[in-house]
Amino acid sequence: KAGVTQTPRYLIKTRGQQVTLSCSPISGHRSVSWYQQTPGQGLQFLFEYFSETQRNKGNFPGRFSGRQFSNSRSEMNVSTLELGDSALYLCASSSPPPDEQYFGPGTRLTVT
Amino acid sequence: GDSVTQMEGPVTLSEEAFLTINCTYTATGYPSLFWYVQYPGEGLQLLLKATKADDKGSNKGFEATYRKETTSFHLEKGSVQVSDSAVYFCALSSGGSYIPTFGRGTSLIVHP
Repeated sequence: KAGVTQTPRYLIKTRGQQVTLSCSPISGHRSVSWYQQTPGQGLQFLFEYFSETQRNKGNFPGRFSGRQFSNSRSEMNVSTLELGDSALYLCASSSPPPDEQYFGPGTRLTVT
Repeated sequence: GDSVTQMEGPVTLSEEAFLTINCTYTATGYPSLFWYVQYPGEGLQLLLKATKADDKGSNKGFEATYRKETTSFHLEKGSVQVSDSAVYFCALSSGGSYIPTFGRGTSLIVHP
């Protein structure tokens, strides 16, 4: 089975712009979660989607949003980028039971 | 709420040394416990897991035992290699929550 894929792998954006990141889960997995990883804060949960519905949400401002499509692919969007949004964004998929997660390689976002 | 505490890193060892990375947790009920590993430039990948008390998870020479009495899940390896250099995350998943709780990660550096 193909693993979780994320595109693009690297992005450089300017403060104030917006960005969309994409994640394709493992075939058959219906749950997709997003995480932000930074050296200072570690791994922080953004949100989780299951069957096109946001099922769980972390403690991030409304500038961070996401969606999931009928084929389970997911996108996350960050609007009005800030310097502090520079991070590695990881996507993970899982299948019932909601147990272990399978991570993609991440998208490295740099905001200048 | 649930929480995971890992020993601070970096842990620096010589090749063939014995490794222990401590992990303790707080959770309601009977969580599943995991160790994930993140190699440089990659996403996290599951290293091993244990789903009930006294279970031992093992993979690639690493092992960890689910100790309910001490709420611990310490990671051990008898003889580390340079290729084991990575960041190791302890995590738990407890009933009703689809989102695992991660520790802050422990960096392991192995010198030849």
